[in-house]
Amino acid sequence: GGIITQTPKFLIGQEGQKLTLKCQQNFNHDTMYWYRQDSGKGLRLIYYSITENDLQKGDLSEGYDASREKKSSFSLTVTSAQKNEMAVFLCASSSTGGAPYEQYFGPGTRLTVL
Amino acid sequence: AQKVTQTQTSISVVEKTTVTMDCVYETRDSSYFLFWYKQTASGEIVFLIRQDSYKKENATVGHYSLNFQKPKSSIGLIITATQIEDSAVYFCAMRGNNNNAPRFGAGTKLSVKP
Repeated sequence: GGIITQTPKFLIGQEGQKLTLKCQQNFNHDTMYWYRQDSGKGLRLIYYSITENDLQKGDLSEGYDASREKKSSFSLTVTSAQKNEMAVFLCASSSTGGAPYEQYFGPGTRLTVL
Repeated sequence: AQKVTQTQTSISVVEKTTVTMDCVYETRDSSYFLFWYKQTASGEIVFLIRQDSYKKENATVGHYSLNFQKPKSSIGLIITATQIEDSAVYFCAMRGNNNNAPRFGAGTKLSVKP
């Protein structure tokens, strides 16, 4: 088994601030993902990475940067936090060797912008 | 572009009955993979079951099964003998064979009552 850890659990920022969210996995998975979930909504893909130093834009990449320096970690940066923004950011990982297997999700980082 | 649609916002059933949740998808990939996930009230997201597009038989895991209707681009989730703890939000997701990033539907909230 393995686990995905996201830090911080709660993040409070100010409008215009640059904020970084971190994700670590010990599944030894190749691919990692960042999704955004607004209250009562589905998951929207922000960025994903199929191997270290690879980055692929998702449907919601504008306003975000990502970084994958190691296989086990994937960071997401909100480049300029928007006032009254509230969302949960979910990190996930999956194996891509052979069949595309299911994703494993972290507990999320809950962002509030004042 | 890939798209996943879940039109049922919420469903309420009495425990021990059977429930079906709908999902339709759009893709241009000839081969693709369909997933169902469960998000509990705590926010935790867990994988439930997967259907590979090239397989004709419907996947079954425990009391979860799928109704895969490829000509209709439909993948329904069937939960038999529902339990109170099945109350959660259920997400349908799809990944094309040429794309490493699954897209998700908006989710269906299931309430199982005694």
